[in-house]
Amino acid sequence: DTAVSQTPKYLVTQMGNDKSIKCEQNLGHDTMYWYKQDSKKFLKIMFSYNNKELIINETVPNRFSPKSPDKAHLNLHINSLELGDSAVYFCASSQDAISGSPADTQYFGPGTRLTVL
Amino acid sequence: GQNIDQPTEMTATEGAIVQINCTYQTSGFNGLFWYQQHAGEAPTFLSYNVLDGLEEKGRFSSFLSRSKGYSYLLLKELQMKDSASYLCAVRDPYSGAGSYQLTFGKGTKLSVIP
Repeated sequence: DTAVSQTPKYLVTQMGNDKSIKCEQNLGHDTMYWYKQDSKKFLKIMFSYNNKELIINETVPNRFSPKSPDKAHLNLHINSLELGDSAVYFCASSQDAISGSPADTQYFGPGTRLTVL
Repeated sequence: GQNIDQPTEMTATEGAIVQINCTYQTSGFNGLFWYQQHAGEAPTFLSYNVLDGLEEKGRFSSFLSRSKGYSYLLLKELQMKDSASYLCAVRDPYSGAGSYQLTFGKGTKLSVIP
């Protein structure tokens, strides 16, 4: 019954490795997102994506790439992990935008705590 | 861009009322959200304002003044379970990918004490 799920919940890895975090939503939403929450709890958008468009926050290194096998999934792949990548990564989803409506309220997954050693 | 300010921490007593303020300076505005985040958990939606005024939902209310770039979240009859971080988020003008992006403030950590 979980609306937005992520795996794994915890990920510990060495610098330089490549890793992926998976996200799935069963809400029938059209748009999915990835956020990064740092040690100071600051939640920052990384990507917005539906089957038509990908919006990338300009501050996100190109080592990060979203991959979507279908509308219900948006995975996050990270190449050449660095110490500064340690954070909690949240996936979220919403319906397509309806101007001025809360219908595109974003629903968040439980988060993946990534630790890079 | 968006600049969003909230107090870092607040403490209040069980049963009391607390008001968490949020001010924003934005290059565009399309609504303001409040989210609650318990430690180690995901943010969960609390409220949404796009027009000026007060929106009430049970013990929680949210107020918006667009001309002042100001919002507050009011929590009444505080309970211990209300101890959490409260995140103010401004919705940007439409930028593509089927939805509007949210810019979050750094959150206010509320501690409710007996």
